[in-house]
Amino acid sequence: GENVEQHPSTLSVQEGDSAVIKCTYSDSASNYFPWYKQELGKGPQLIIDIRSNVGEKKDQRIAVTLNKTAKHFSLHITETQPEDSAVYFCAASITGYQKVTFGTGTKLQVIP
Amino acid sequence: SAVISQKPSRDICQRGTSLTIQCQVDSQVTMMFWYRQQPGQSLTLIATANQGSEATYESGFVIDKFPISRPNLTFSTLTVSNMSPEDSSIYLCSVGDGAYEQYFGPGTRLTVT
Repeated sequence: GENVEQHPSTLSVQEGDSAVIKCTYSDSASNYFPWYKQELGKGPQLIIDIRSNVGEKKDQRIAVTLNKTAKHFSLHITETQPEDSAVYFCAASITGYQKVTFGTGTKLQVIP
Repeated sequence: SAVISQKPSRDICQRGTSLTIQCQVDSQVTMMFWYRQQPGQSLTLIATANQGSEATYESGFVIDKFPISRPNLTFSTLTVSNMSPEDSSIYLCSVGDGAYEQYFGPGTRLTVT
């Protein structure tokens, strides 16, 4: 089955700096890669996703990149703000209607 | 995206008892899923709740322990049966909205004593 690895497990950045979280996956059939943000005491929130026919996607301060050949994808957050502090999960699936396999999570702390 | 609610939001239960968690969606959705998130850990899929038929369970999860119902396209329940302290987790339902995206409810925080 699919295996998703995520690094780093914790990340501290100064407010205004950029943060990068990296994930690798094992199943070449996976073609949908969502990213979730989970704040304390809440359920995961879908913040951005990318499909295999796209190499990069941006939404304001957030961008994702995908390298299907190398089987890795990354989340980039620019101009970080304290409200970006949360746990971020990457995930992979063949389609959203099929099993979504999650990475181990990255706890991001943005220091004011 | 669909608005998802779960009841209860949290509970503290005695060992050996059962708890039923409800998931309600504000619109009809094709797919509903149940996940477990153990303290400080990632999310693990328990099962896919199929409308009108038996749920599809992932390896390591069985119907006797986690019976699931899905009577219609907006509602599902997960029961955690014969609980032990190892069942202390956050239980999350999610829905498939569109071709790819999954959206999560707020979760039910269960503590078993």
